[in-house]
Amino acid sequence: QQQVKQSPQSLIVQKGGISIINCAYENTAFDYFPWYQQFPGKGPALLIAIRPDVSEKKEGRFTISFNKSAKQFSLHIMDSQPGDSATYFCAAESGTSYGKLTFGQGTILTVHP
Amino acid sequence: EAGVTQSPTHLIKTRGQQATLRCSPISGHTSVYWYQQALGLGLQFLLWYDEGEERNRGNFPPRFSGRQFPNYSSELNVNALELEDSALYLCASSLGHTQYFGPGTRLTVL
Repeated sequence: QQQVKQSPQSLIVQKGGISIINCAYENTAFDYFPWYQQFPGKGPALLIAIRPDVSEKKEGRFTISFNKSAKQFSLHIMDSQPGDSATYFCAAESGTSYGKLTFGQGTILTVHP
Repeated sequence: EAGVTQSPTHLIKTRGQQATLRCSPISGHTSVYWYQQALGLGLQFLLWYDEGEERNRGNFPPRFSGRQFPNYSSELNVNALELEDSALYLCASSLGHTQYFGPGTRLTVL
């Protein structure tokens, strides 16, 4: 019940295309959903985060879509660039287990020039 | 502003030994978190310290332990090392909700 399932494991997109990464969860107590971006040799960095009271949040080229009834959320990267090539992790946290982020398995995104 | 720093960058130990990993949080952050990033397993939550106290713990055996010092820096200790402990250990710090990660310590157990 604590799992967050992420797909796909890897994704190849052409420059200018849209990258879509999906996550699903079971624990309805989750109330905070961040996305992290990790480059090789670096720690994960927060990209964007959402709470269940909104269905969409946009920051620049990055958008989170959230479907509370389906217990799913996704990251959309518009106009994907080679510099976006990295590993992306979705995560979730519940108020009853504050501080503990439960991460998805990660998606390796490659954007071809 | 300096980010989260971790030392050492790499650590090689043999099975049965003890490993000590260190983390310095961003200045002003009082919470420190530890995660294990093993190959193919994503990030697994280990421990959360805040104001010197252990606040939450993940599903890891007791040989994984740590502490937080008065200056908010933290240590992660792994006793009786096993081969499967080989992983990247990430430390994060926060003042509010957002966790900021360090570059990690790569632990290799031979």
